Amino acid sequence: RKEVEQDPGPFNVPEGATVAFNCTYSNSASQSFFWYRQDCRKEPKLLMSVYSSGNEDGRFTAQLNRASQYISLLIRDSKLSDSATYLCVVISGNTGKLIFGQGTTLQVKP
Amino acid sequence: DAGVIQSPRHEVTEMGQEVTLRCKPISGHNSLFWYRQTMMRGLELLIYFNNNVPIDDSGMPEDRFSAKMPNASFSTLKIQPSEPRDSAVYFCASSLQAGLNYGYTFGSGTRLTVV
Repeated sequence: RKEVEQDPGPFNVPEGATVAFNCTYSNSASQSFFWYRQDCRKEPKLLMSVYSSGNEDGRFTAQLNRASQYISLLIRDSKLSDSATYLCVVISGNTGKLIFGQGTTLQVKP
Repeated sequence: DAGVIQSPRHEVTEMGQEVTLRCKPISGHNSLFWYRQTMMRGLELLIYFNNNVPIDDSGMPEDRFSAKMPNASFSTLKIQPSEPRDSAVYFCASSLQAGLNYGYTFGSGTRLTVV
């Protein structure tokens, strides 16, 4: 079983839609959590950190449920420019190693 | 800030040749990571350094792969001899410090094709 699992999608949504991505992680000692965004043929870039209390950045909301070992990302009012692959990322225990999920592909259509 | 700088951007080589990938981390960052990305396996951590010292190389596929960090501003990943299955995008990333809640900054990657 992979340490970080995501539904690869693709998610095809119209502009303006709300879309949610989920991610589960297997190591209960994991300490830090992130969502990264990767555009085609580009490097991953940090989208936002994820905190237990939940956090919001504009149209993006991230949630963490430590009991269920579950992370989510909600995108409201989708834009064409949101089309990308969204990577769920976990820092494994005390190692400092970033462990990536396979990514979920989002395609926003006009 | 120039970000994490990797070279070359693209490399095409023949099977059996030696390949050297280079990375310059962000100045002041103490941790450096090498990742490999393929369609089948996604992003895999190969090795990471803290203060120029290799901490975990458990992701290095086999003895054909080696990595060095001779100083705080430079690291190399070497494959010798290269094989077609090594074809992938290799990313270098750096962070202020591993294990803390800092985002990691990635370079643009080296797209390696072994024919």
